[in-house]
Amino acid sequence: NAGVMQNPRHLVRRRGQEARLRCSPMKGHSHVYWYRQLPEEGLKFMVYLQKENIIDESGMPKERFSAEFPKEGPSILRIQQVVRGDSAAYFCASSPGLYQETQYFGPGTRLLVL
Amino acid sequence: AQSVTQPDIHITVSEGASLELRCNYSYGATPYLFWYVQSPGQGLQLLLKYFSGDTLVQGIKGFEAEFKRSQSSFNLRKPSVHWSDAAEYFCAVGAPRGYSGGGADGLTFGKGTHLIIQP
Repeated sequence: NAGVMQNPRHLVRRRGQEARLRCSPMKGHSHVYWYRQLPEEGLKFMVYLQKENIIDESGMPKERFSAEFPKEGPSILRIQQVVRGDSAAYFCASSPGLYQETQYFGPGTRLLVL
Repeated sequence: AQSVTQPDIHITVSEGASLELRCNYSYGATPYLFWYVQSPGQGLQLLLKYFSGDTLVQGIKGFEAEFKRSQSSFNLRKPSVHWSDAAEYFCAVGAPRGYSGGGADGLTFGKGTHLIIQP
């Protein structure tokens, strides 16, 4: 029973490029959360999605960041025109239900912006 | 706004000794409470959770936590630590079912406690 999968595990981008991070939830889970972890910090909530629907994006930066969870395929977190301050670990979590059920985390994508 | 405080940034414990990691929260209601562990370069693994009921919660790897409403605390304990317990520990809170007090739908995490095990 596969857990939450994220790829790539490591991503290096130069300033101004685009970063695409993918997340496949656990089997049977239809809710996905994205979090960002800066060095020496805890995780910060970014966005909460259900298939084809953004439920809460209150933690997303207003510019350059977007997320989707299509009917088919993984959830995508997209960062356009990356800057050095975007360097962080990005974690995806999934849950089976609409409310604060237990969230299961993926291994994360470590983004480094040069 | 909800918040989680883990007052100890680093804790050093001798192998075989007991452990207590502190967590205090601020929330408009009794939230769902979680403890996660993160090994270097890895994702987060759920240790235990509290939704309701018995305030002493048992988790994996011999960990337990006690919810104290009067102190808004959810401290993590282990009677005897092992070298493999060295990791980063995060306390988190989430909105309980039916909560309409506002705030983000995601979990709110503390900044973590780094546990070091001395031989």
